[in-house]
Amino acid sequence: SAVISQKPSRDICQRGTSLTIQCQVDSQVTMMFWYRQQPGQSLTLIATANQGSEATYESGFVIDKFPISRPNLTFSTLTVSNMSPEDSSIYLCSVVGGTKNIQYFGAGTRLSVL
Amino acid sequence: QKEVEQDPGPLSVPEGAIVSLNCTYSNSAFQYFMWYRQYSRKGPELLMYTYSSGNKEDGRFTAQVDKSSKYISLFIRDSQPSDSATYLCAMGSGGSNYKLTFGKGTLLTVNP
Repeated sequence: SAVISQKPSRDICQRGTSLTIQCQVDSQVTMMFWYRQQPGQSLTLIATANQGSEATYESGFVIDKFPISRPNLTFSTLTVSNMSPEDSSIYLCSVVGGTKNIQYFGAGTRLSVL
Repeated sequence: QKEVEQDPGPLSVPEGAIVSLNCTYSNSAFQYFMWYRQYSRKGPELLMYTYSSGNKEDGRFTAQVDKSSKYISLFIRDSQPSDSATYLCAMGSGGSNYKLTFGKGTLLTVNP
């Protein structure tokens, strides 16, 4: 399985600001994803981070709000822009490893917006 | 109807009990099924993976899939306090589609 490091592990931010979350993997991976986990809700896919091209966003998520970079096969960033209290959530990156479509997750970034 | 339904609990059991966790789904395209365990302040970790109907056993854990009823279960035998966590079911359709659909998770507490 891949070892995934996420930074920061948690943050408290003011309304209207932006936060960039980093995801580093210890091996090259093709598929990398960003999820949101809100209290009492299912883990929800935000987007697929594509290396060398624009991310693919799921319904309800837009690039202006959640810009994603993927400069190489081991690193990605997710920015939460112009934050509001509704953006308070856990944000997780995941990667696909092995041959069985298994996804491995980072520890997550716990974001609180005041 | 949501694609995946999972009773959020919470579920509280005494140590040594048998625990049954369940999910139902509506999408017939789902071909493989997973259970993740998530400890507080941690990311989900894969516990069980299966892609066929029937049972799969790994130590104290048994995953059961009934595709005809669109129902999956996770059984934990001889539950331990260290099993206290949130359990998430996840499903995917496979092939080149890597997207997973998750249940809301069931919070389990095993009391010593």
